[in-house]
Amino acid sequence: DTGVSQDPRHKITKRGQNVTFRCDPISEHNRLYWYRQTLGQGPEFLTYFQNEAQLEKSRLLSDRFSAERPKGSFSTLEIQRTEQGDSAMYLCASSLKWPQTFFGQGTRLTVV
Amino acid sequence: DAKTTQPNSMESNEEEPVHLPCNHSTISGTDYIHWYRQLPSQGPEYVIHGLTSNVNNRMASLAIAEDRKSSTLILHRATLRDAAVYYCILRASLSNFGNEKLTFGTGTRLTIIP
Repeated sequence: DTGVSQDPRHKITKRGQNVTFRCDPISEHNRLYWYRQTLGQGPEFLTYFQNEAQLEKSRLLSDRFSAERPKGSFSTLEIQRTEQGDSAMYLCASSLKWPQTFFGQGTRLTVV
Repeated sequence: DAKTTQPNSMESNEEEPVHLPCNHSTISGTDYIHWYRQLPSQGPEYVIHGLTSNVNNRMASLAIAEDRKSSTLILHRATLRDAAVYYCILRASLSNFGNEKLTFGTGTRLTIIP
């Protein structure tokens, strides 16, 4: 058990470019979550998958954001046409048994 | 979601006990009290959770007021590695729809003084 893995750890992109982040959850964890965290704030929920089904999406997840979990294992989060306001830490988490949720170290996105 | 209120920051001396308070006056009967912490440059980490009775685990203890409107996370002997932001979160029981997400506030930044 190597924990939740996120790649890349850091990403700098120019405004208007598309970016994609990957999350590998803990093996056999059927629940997978994406959160976003800006400086000085707690993480904010973005979306949740149970296996391959996306069951909940926050209103924070604008139409420029899309998340997938095609085979119920790893997940990707894509942001299209990035804006400076998208700069944040993007955290992935996974869970098998309520209530423990395990977080990765996050991907820090900087949009310049 | 019911809200929680925590002090923005606290300091404690190393090797002393730490009591981190949380107020949740609008808690409902099905809300569990969860605590997570976030070490610098890390994702949040589960600490402990409880419903009504006090709880202990290897990391901490959770003391819950009789009326459940407040709780206290207790670190029995703080070390420098306990310096983190501690989040108190209310989460409905698994049987309630929409309880999958964690709703974080701004938490309490705990500083440990050597």
